[in-house]
Amino acid sequence: KAGVTQTPRYLIKTRGQQVTLSCSPISGHRSVSWYQQTPGQGLQFLFEYFSETQRNKGNFPGRFSGRQFSNSRSEMNVSTLELGDSALYLCASSIDREEGELFFGEGSRLTVL
Amino acid sequence: GENVEQHPSTLSVQEGDSAVIKCTYSDSASNYFPWYKQELGKGPQLIIDIRSNVGEKKDQRIAVTLNKTAKHFSLHITETQPEDSAVYFCAAMGGGADGLTFGKGTHLIIQP
Repeated sequence: KAGVTQTPRYLIKTRGQQVTLSCSPISGHRSVSWYQQTPGQGLQFLFEYFSETQRNKGNFPGRFSGRQFSNSRSEMNVSTLELGDSALYLCASSIDREEGELFFGEGSRLTVL
Repeated sequence: GENVEQHPSTLSVQEGDSAVIKCTYSDSASNYFPWYKQELGKGPQLIIDIRSNVGEKKDQRIAVTLNKTAKHFSLHITETQPEDSAVYFCAAMGGGADGLTFGKGTHLIIQP
């Protein structure tokens, strides 16, 4: 069974631009969560979507947003990019987050210049 | 919200020896504690998890123990092998709506 697929794997943007990252969860998984990983802050929870609805949100500014489609695929968007947004963005899927067992993708590495 | 502390940040052991990584958490409502292994350039991979109604769980060379009273849990790897070299993260999830709260990670180095 295919794992969690994230695209693109690498991208470079400049300050002020926006970026959209995509995540395809494991087939049958309805919950998709997004995490930001940086050397300084580690892994931090961004938000979680379940059945096209944002169910939970971490402590990030409104520039970070996301959505989930009817096929459970998810996208996250970061607007007005800042240097500090450079990070590995990880998507994780689960049958239902309440049950745990999150499976992560390889991540999208964003560099902001 | 939940706060997870993980120690040590770096652990170097001889091949064949055991490795122990420890984590503490702050939210007594947390009820799910997974451990992830992350290799360079890859996403975290779930290696073992434990729920709050269990004190210990084993899977071949890997075991996790949980002490709910003290609010700490540990990862034990026995007979370490070179392929065990990676960064290991503990995490906790429970009462709040913040998803998984991760520790800062332990860089495990297996010396040949």
